[in-house]
Amino acid sequence: AQKVTQAQTEISVVEKEDVTLDCVYETRDTTYYLFWYKQPPSGELVFLIRRNSFDEQNEISGRYSWNFQKSTSSFNFTITASQVVDSAVYFCALSEAVTGANSKLTFGKGITLSVRP
Amino acid sequence: NAGVTQTPKFQVLKTGQGMTLQCAQDMNHEYMSWYRQDPGMGLRLIHYSVGAGITDQGEVPNGYNVSRSTTEDFPLRLLSAAPSQTSVYFCASSYRGSDETQYFGPGTRLLVL
Repeated sequence: AQKVTQAQTEISVVEKEDVTLDCVYETRDTTYYLFWYKQPPSGELVFLIRRNSFDEQNEISGRYSWNFQKSTSSFNFTITASQVVDSAVYFCALSEAVTGANSKLTFGKGITLSVRP
Repeated sequence: NAGVTQTPKFQVLKTGQGMTLQCAQDMNHEYMSWYRQDPGMGLRLIHYSVGAGITDQGEVPNGYNVSRSTTEDFPLRLLSAAPSQTSVYFCASSYRGSDETQYFGPGTRLLVL
């Protein structure tokens, strides 16, 4: 069975600090997909990134970057120079590469990030 | 495109009442799913569908029924609500499966008294 662990439950930083959100996953599949979603205080779920298991290149998008390491089964998310607008709950999620039956997305419990001015 | 829509946005029920949470998408997605979000628990999969006429159970299916008669709609039914079903419910869709980006609806907040 697949599992996602986000060991950090709450993180508080001061604006402009860098912060890393950790995600560790478990799966028996060799082909799988990892995701990060953001849930701001307004409640909607916002897609941030999707990464497949064969692409271990780090990804950078503006102030956001992701470090995928299969050796440690981790997919960590770093926000550089954090801003108040980054305050949200961040979810990491995992899906095995199947369609049809057993096509399920498993979420971690989320990390609440508070960025103080 | 409206994307994924959910109605109602908020609902209060008494224990034992039934209701249907509506979910619709206009992106011609085959895969649709329902999640519940509870404090400290993340999102947990209730039921999902890989196409019209095909549904399956997720992690927490008890107390919920689903059906999928059209590609666009995937309603979630609570036959006899219980306080333990107080939660925020999200519907999501993707083109083919859970390995693709899920597009989420705005959520329905349900309070069962």
